[in-house]
Amino acid sequence: ELKVEQNPLFLSMQEGKNYTIYCNYSTTSDRLYWYRQDPGKSLESLFVLLSNGAVKQEGRLMASLDTKARLSTLHITAAVHDLSATYFCAVDGRSSNYQLIWGAGTKLIIKP
Amino acid sequence: DAGVIQSPRHEVTEMGQEVTLRCKPISGHDYLFWYRQTMMRGLELLIYFNNNVPIDDSGMPEDRFSAKMPNASFSTLKIQPSEPRDSAVYFCASRSHDSLTEAFFGQGTRLTVV
Repeated sequence: ELKVEQNPLFLSMQEGKNYTIYCNYSTTSDRLYWYRQDPGKSLESLFVLLSNGAVKQEGRLMASLDTKARLSTLHITAAVHDLSATYFCAVDGRSSNYQLIWGAGTKLIIKP
Repeated sequence: DAGVIQSPRHEVTEMGQEVTLRCKPISGHDYLFWYRQTMMRGLELLIYFNNNVPIDDSGMPEDRFSAKMPNASFSTLKIQPSEPRDSAVYFCASRSHDSLTEAFFGQGTRLTVV
C-alpha cells in the first residue's frame, strides 16, 4: 500500500529565511505533484515532477524528485509572507490506478 | 476551459435533509474524484470514477452517501439524511490519464449541517 509522509506538518518561519519541506513515499512511483492551498480556498497545482532527478522552480519555490530515495523536497528561498499556505504533495503509485495518494499537508506560516 | 465547476459553493441545511452536490469536470478528463476536507481528518478521498464508472468507493463513510456520474460532464454526491458531522468542504477534481497531468480541483462546496 502506498503511503505518503510529509514533514514537518507545521512550520513557522521568519521572512527572508530558507527552509525545506520533505515528502517521503513508500513504494515505487515516477510521478509526484505539489499543491498549494490558501485558507478557505481550493488546491492549486504548483509543480508536476515526472521523472527521477526532475527539478522545477517558480519564484522562491523549487521542487525536486529522487525516485530512488522515494523523496521529494520543496525548498523555499528567502521566504516572504505571501508564501504562507498549506502545501501538499501527492504521488501516483504504479498500482494506484490514477488515484493520487496524498500527504497530510504542511502548514507554513511566514512572519514578517 | 473554465476548469472544474462545483455547485453550490455554500450549503447550509438542517440535520435530516437531503443534500446534493454537483460537479462538472474539465472536458476530456476521464477521471473524476470526490474529496472531503475537514480540520480533524484532513483531505479524504470519498470515491472516484473512470469513464463514468465508479472505481473505488471505499472512502464513502456510510450508506447515507452516494455518488453518480450519469455522463462524462456531470457528477453528483448526495447525502441523505445529512448529519452535523457531515459538515466539511467537499471538493471535486478531474484528471486525464493520457497526459499524466495533475488533478485539477474545483472551488469546493462548503457544507454546514445544523
